[in-house]
Amino acid sequence: ETGVTQSPTHLIKTRGQQVTLRCSSQSGHNTVSWYQQALGQGPQFIFQYYREEENGRGNFPPRFSGLQFPNYSSELNVNALELDDSALYLCASSLGAGGSISEQYFGPGTRLTVT
Amino acid sequence: GENVEQHPSTLSVQEGDSAVIKCTYSDSASNYFPWYKQELGKRPQLIIDIRSNVGEKKDQRIAVTLNKTAKHFSLHITETQPEDSAVYFCAASIGTYDYKLSFGAGTTVTVRA
Repeated sequence: ETGVTQSPTHLIKTRGQQVTLRCSSQSGHNTVSWYQQALGQGPQFIFQYYREEENGRGNFPPRFSGLQFPNYSSELNVNALELDDSALYLCASSLGAGGSISEQYFGPGTRLTVT
Repeated sequence: GENVEQHPSTLSVQEGDSAVIKCTYSDSASNYFPWYKQELGKRPQLIIDIRSNVGEKKDQRIAVTLNKTAKHFSLHITETQPEDSAVYFCAASIGTYDYKLSFGAGTTVTVRA
């Protein structure tokens, strides 16, 4: 198992509400990426944080926002929830330095259900 | 942006046989290609990866090949075992100097005993 943790494990929200998901990266990693995985699909890149700054974004609307803290843990916030936001939200941590690539290790995910 | 296509979507093999999954990508700048295994209800786990300066990489029963000219890469699992049953995802880095990943849609592999 990786050292990446996520909370909560499961969450049920109502359409229009807001949600915050949390991720603790593996020790020594300074980069967190967030992905949305709909049922039966591959993960879709939402955005990435490197040393507390956003480092790229996928095709997700502005109501998806994030934050990374000095200890490199991260939050994903989704406002005005829609039914289609129901998915498994995965974070992945990695070590980034000077453009080099390191392996991404996933957390267990948060299963979000929007009713 | 990067577009990754993965085939087949499902694959059933007899225990002991080989399994091959193929992926193509669109962005010629991509230079990192990992493969993940995801068992039901669990997180994706990195099983092998390859970088663009290498054509082939092996790790025990698993191997990955990369053809940068044709923009395709493949996963080969030999001597399959029941515990190899899972969903496998290929991915390609989005661009050269970052490590955001674009994933394929996945291949459900079933190993028949």
